[in-house]
Amino acid sequence: GEDVEQSLFLSVREGDSSVINCTYTDSSSTYLYWYKQEPGAGLQLLTYIFSNMDMKQDQRLTVLLNKKDKHLSLRIADTQTGDSAIYFCAERPPGGYQKVTFGTGTKLQVIP
Amino acid sequence: KAGVTQTPRYLIKTRGQQVTLSCSPISGHRSVSWYQQTPGQGLQFLFEYFSETQRNKGNFPGRFSGRQFSNSRSEMNVSTLELGDSALYLCASSLGDRDNSYEQYFGPGTRLTVT
Repeated sequence: GEDVEQSLFLSVREGDSSVINCTYTDSSSTYLYWYKQEPGAGLQLLTYIFSNMDMKQDQRLTVLLNKKDKHLSLRIADTQTGDSAIYFCAERPPGGYQKVTFGTGTKLQVIP
Repeated sequence: KAGVTQTPRYLIKTRGQQVTLSCSPISGHRSVSWYQQTPGQGLQFLFEYFSETQRNKGNFPGRFSGRQFSNSRSEMNVSTLELGDSALYLCASSLGDRDNSYEQYFGPGTRLTVT
């Protein structure tokens, strides 16, 4: 079945790097996503990675995918106070169109 | 290009009532998905519509239903409201016309409170 897990909370100092981790169980997942949710807002798509890739970099964001361990991570370089939010990883199986399964969310707190 | 809009943003209803939420996708997007977000259950997929047809459905009771119009706008309806239906309801739109239309854009959500 599909199950996506994340740690609940992460606290980092401004300027440091943040690493948010995610494990998933559906080995057939085609797309893996990272979303950001600020208080009172919807979800913002940050980045995504195809399951045939190991790494993707997009400005301050680096996504690493370890298919063997079904482990996905999001690294945010030079973390800023504006990065404080809840981060969700999500997976989508092939042929599943938009039936996306979300993780539990990691609350990132950036300390000035 | 305007983003995904949802109306109303906030809603308070009483147990037993019914409610209809509306979602307007990004222009040109034909797929609309609905999600329920609660502190206890997190984000759960409700259903997805594409070209006025329900294409995918999550594990929710039949009290939750939806539809999509020819202009791709979508509504979801919840009948016989229960306290546990209190949640943030999010809608997301995407192109949806092929399997690799992977980018999904979310609206701000409708906060439903059932008393």
